[in-house]
Amino acid sequence: QVQLQQWGAGLLKPSETLSLTCAIYGGSFNEYYWSWIRQPPGKGLEWIGEINHRGRTKYNPSLRSRVTLAVATSKNQFSLKLTSVTAADTAVYYCARVRQEVALFSKYYAMDVWGQGTPVTVSS
Amino acid sequence: SSELTQDPAVSVALGQTVRITCQGDSLRTYYASWYQQKPGQAPVLVIYGKNNRPSGIADRFSASSSGNTASLTITGTQAGDEADYYCTSRDTSGNQGVFGPGTKVTVL
Repeated sequence: QVQLQQWGAGLLKPSETLSLTCAIYGGSFNEYYWSWIRQPPGKGLEWIGEINHRGRTKYNPSLRSRVTLAVATSKNQFSLKLTSVTAADTAVYYCARVRQEVALFSKYYAMDVWGQGTPVTVSS
Repeated sequence: SSELTQDPAVSVALGQTVRITCQGDSLRTYYASWYQQKPGQAPVLVIYGKNNRPSGIADRFSASSSGNTASLTITGTQAGDEADYYCTSRDTSGNQGVFGPGTKVTVL
């Protein structure tokens, strides 16, 4: 059974760079896109972006200028970097596997396996 | 358009049926997927595609769609179904994922 384990610094100062890594255990890395989602305290889910094993990326336009996703295929890992953080970036950050169908009349987009979440606080 | 909308909250009596809706232009092209999130936990996928349940998800959860509206129906609602429910899809360009704002389901 596929499991995602994520880690990274949980307390940052404004203007610092958030850095998180997600490792895939027990499943194929190359067959899927891999995504990052965040959830500010008491609020809903926000899609950050996704990447595949070749490094092909899609980003949320509202975060594009500050976000970089990368893969380490040999380690079955992918990572998130978010620069110039502010208090508005305080959230629980999740990594997740993308499950999707792109055939006409059958299209869907889902995240079927999630990491445990990493709380990140930005405070001076 | 990249926006999905959901009712903020619904309540349902124990054992009854509740329907949660999600609206957006992208749902004319994509089936919505649905997640259940309980406090302090990661979201759990309960429905994907036309009406598919991942392994381990009860058949009390089902989905339907019409036009720009997707629905998640919970039949025979149990106390353990009390949670926030989110829908997701690609946006109309297909270039990003989008989440609905979530619906809080309260079981009375």
